[in-house]
Amino acid sequence: DTAVSQTPKYLVTQMGNDKSIKCEQNLGHDTMYWYKQDSKKFLKIMFSYNNKELIINETVPNRFSPKSPDKAHLNLHINSLELGDSAVYFCASSQPGTSGGGTDTQYFGPGTRLTVL
Amino acid sequence: DQQVKQNSPSLSVQEGRISILNCDYTNSMFDYFLWYKKYPAEGPTFLISISSIKDKNEDGRFTVFLNKSAKHLSLHIVPSQPGDSAVYFCAASYGSWGKLQFGAGTQVVVTP
Repeated sequence: DTAVSQTPKYLVTQMGNDKSIKCEQNLGHDTMYWYKQDSKKFLKIMFSYNNKELIINETVPNRFSPKSPDKAHLNLHINSLELGDSAVYFCASSQPGTSGGGTDTQYFGPGTRLTVL
Repeated sequence: DQQVKQNSPSLSVQEGRISILNCDYTNSMFDYFLWYKKYPAEGPTFLISISSIKDKNEDGRFTVFLNKSAKHLSLHIVPSQPGDSAVYFCAASYGSWGKLQFGAGTQVVVTP
């Protein structure tokens, strides 16, 4: 059973297009995240949702819009794709503890490699 | 501003020997540290963590050491096995909601 799944695994598209990446977790976690791994291999957090509520929103262009229809899903929609958006995008989830989530283990999906031509 | 740094991009070690991976951080607010392991075309997998109130945490072959005064942590893998060949990421967080900051990773290759 896949704990955190992402679709698609690979996405190749033209500049200016709009695309979505879907993420689902079956771990029963309340918190989900999107990370971007750039060409220098750094993993950087983009967004975090807890029980469908946005709690972390890093400095990300507003062309990126996360949507959480329920706490098991966190999708990422990207408008007007640019060359610099090419990266691997990882979804993750965790279950907050009594401290509010700062020490929780995050479980990652397999990643979606986005290539913008 | 990269607050978590792994200065060794790669490490080669013989099977059966010890692997030592290092990580430095600059933000003294960090109070929770983790190591993740990543195979190609897969997501990072949690390996081991340590809270800032401890200086050592052990789990089987993996031990993490934390030196708060030096803002340094290390991961020891003993003995190293071929299946340990992967990229290892150091990560740190503080406060609520698990905003992890990752290092750039260290590629470990375990040779027979």
